[in-house]
Amino acid sequence: ILNVEQSPQSLHVQEGDSTNFTCSFPSSNFYALHWYRWETAKSPEALFVMTLNGDEKKKGRISATLNTKEGYSYLYIKGSQPEDSATYLCASLSGSARQLTFGSGTQLTVLP
Amino acid sequence: EAQVTQNPRYLITVTGKKLTVTCSQNMNHEYMSWYRQDPGLGLRQIYYSMNVEVTDKGDVPEGYKVSRKEKRNFPLILESPSPNQTSLYFCASSPTVAGEQFFGPGTRLTVL
Repeated sequence: ILNVEQSPQSLHVQEGDSTNFTCSFPSSNFYALHWYRWETAKSPEALFVMTLNGDEKKKGRISATLNTKEGYSYLYIKGSQPEDSATYLCASLSGSARQLTFGSGTQLTVLP
Repeated sequence: EAQVTQNPRYLITVTGKKLTVTCSQNMNHEYMSWYRQDPGLGLRQIYYSMNVEVTDKGDVPEGYKVSRKEKRNFPLILESPSPNQTSLYFCASSPTVAGEQFFGPGTRLTVL
């Protein structure tokens, strides 16, 4: 079983602050890294799927970077808004595996 | 509308009473999977299917069965439910194993 770690476990920020969190994953035999946004009482929704070392993807105020050699990805949120409050999940897929392994998530609360 | 549907959404049952949670997707996706979500543990994969008639165990398959007789359906079967299977269950589908996962609305199961 891959070990996918996310930090911090939870985070409170003020509206307007920028923030970032980390996903670390085994770098050997890497294939893909996913980020999902999961709001309370809803289902997880995909933010990014990243495969190449150095990849940087952006969707509005949210962006992500990927370092496959050292096994980490950062998710950045610029100018956080209360509607960004959610749990952010990352998941890793290795080349030999046929299943995603999820981290336990970072729970973000943006205070107005 | 492209979607993944699950039924039932909520279920309270008793130990040992067989149950099935249905999952259906209308996106012609090849890859489907079942996850359970427990507090502090994130999403853990139960079973997955690469295509029709091809299923494999995930990280926590004990006590569960699945079948993939048609591309669109991937039911989860609990032959003899036990209280430790009380959880929130998600079905997901994706075009390929590496593609972004589309999640169903979730099924909250309580086994007394």
